[in-house]
Amino acid sequence: GESVGLHLPTLSVQEGDNSIINCAYSNSASDYFIWYKQESGKGPQFIIDIRSNMDKRQGQRVTVLLNKTVKHLSLQIAATQPGDSAVYFCAETMNTGFQKLVFGTGTRLLVSP
Amino acid sequence: GAGVSQSPSNKVTEKGKDVELRCDPISGHTALYWYRQSLGQGLEFLIYFQGNSAPDKSGLPSDRFSAERTGGSVSTLTIQRTQQEDSAVYLCASKTSGRNNEQFFGPGTRLTVL
Repeated sequence: GESVGLHLPTLSVQEGDNSIINCAYSNSASDYFIWYKQESGKGPQFIIDIRSNMDKRQGQRVTVLLNKTVKHLSLQIAATQPGDSAVYFCAETMNTGFQKLVFGTGTRLLVSP
Repeated sequence: GAGVSQSPSNKVTEKGKDVELRCDPISGHTALYWYRQSLGQGLEFLIYFQGNSAPDKSGLPSDRFSAERTGGSVSTLTIQRTQQEDSAVYLCASKTSGRNNEQFFGPGTRLTVL
């Protein structure tokens, strides 16, 4: 499951900084959104999700913000650590049918110690 | 507590050959998905299985691609007459029934078509 995106946008931060990763989603009918983290050689791993009836949801060190007006998602990571280095994908789906996920192209996060 | 497993982890084949990729979902997960992750792109949905229902094949890029799921568990993705543009990482995911349940991904199979 290695991320193969050589041309992914990259966000470089220092350890301890807060990171913000942005995503523009495509379908105004989408009502469920997920952020995934993909480390080298692994499949995507669920981080946090949010439904369209919310505009903010917090987890451990992560917060997802949803702006339906402009179809924008963001993932905020507090006190970024070297272990957070990975490619991050947002995914959208409609809460109907079989939950087919539509993924964004991803953002590579590089955390320097 | 095994997660989703996939085999092989890497596959190199020659153009025109057929390949089979295997996915073992988490035990008890009724839904199984195949995705493709190509160079420089995000994950692309291929096919979905849910229990005994007919699979949703709407994401398969051509009739060279097919998949089956035997006994509601193991799934095989077959690509016939492989082309160089088929080179990608093929990811499998499974989840329990119901909406908004987390999809658990396997590590993927990296396919290289020479």
